Amino acid sequence: EDQVTQSPEALRLQEGESSSLNCSYTVSGLRGLFWYRQDPGKGPEFLFTLYSAGEEKEKERLKATLTKKESFLHITAPKPEDSATYLCAVQPPDGKLTFGQGTILTVHP
Amino acid sequence: NAGVTQTPKFRILKIGQSMTLQCTQDMNHNYMYWYRQDPGMGLKLIYYSVGAGITDKGEVPNGYNVSRSTTEDFPLRLELAAPSQTSVYFCASSYGHLNEKLFFGSGTQLSVL
Repeated sequence: EDQVTQSPEALRLQEGESSSLNCSYTVSGLRGLFWYRQDPGKGPEFLFTLYSAGEEKEKERLKATLTKKESFLHITAPKPEDSATYLCAVQPPDGKLTFGQGTILTVHP
Repeated sequence: NAGVTQTPKFRILKIGQSMTLQCTQDMNHNYMYWYRQDPGMGLKLIYYSVGAGITDKGEVPNGYNVSRSTTEDFPLRLELAAPSQTSVYFCASSYGHLNEKLFFGSGTQLSVL
């Protein structure tokens, strides 16, 4: 059974304080690992897809990396508008995503 | 661009009542999905569709039914609502199935009392 565990469950940062979110996974034959951002009362919004170990992708203050067992979402010099829940999901060969429970990020000014 | 539109945004049901959650997308996507999201849990797939007339079960289909008569619409039917169906429901769509990002609606918050 595919499993995704995200840590920490919640993270509080000061504006400008860089940190990382972790997504550990077990899956038989990873086709892709996805990161989504979810604001309160809204649906998840796509951020990145990573396909193979060693791959990295960046978008503004966010950088996602992937190994064979986990993915990290690095947040550099975060701003209050980066506050959201960040979701990780893995896609096995059948295409059905398994989501983690999310990390709630709060950035204080 | 509207994207994926869900209605209603909020609903309270009594135990045993039925209702339909509506979902429509205007991106001409082949694939559509229904997920539920419970506090502290990951999104769980209820049903999905690969095109008009074709639907299949996801991880948690019991108590739900779907239909896909058009490319645009993918309603989710709850029959005999139970407290365990209290959740936030998200509809999503994608152009393809593998390695394709999902576009989500804004969700329906459902309480069954």
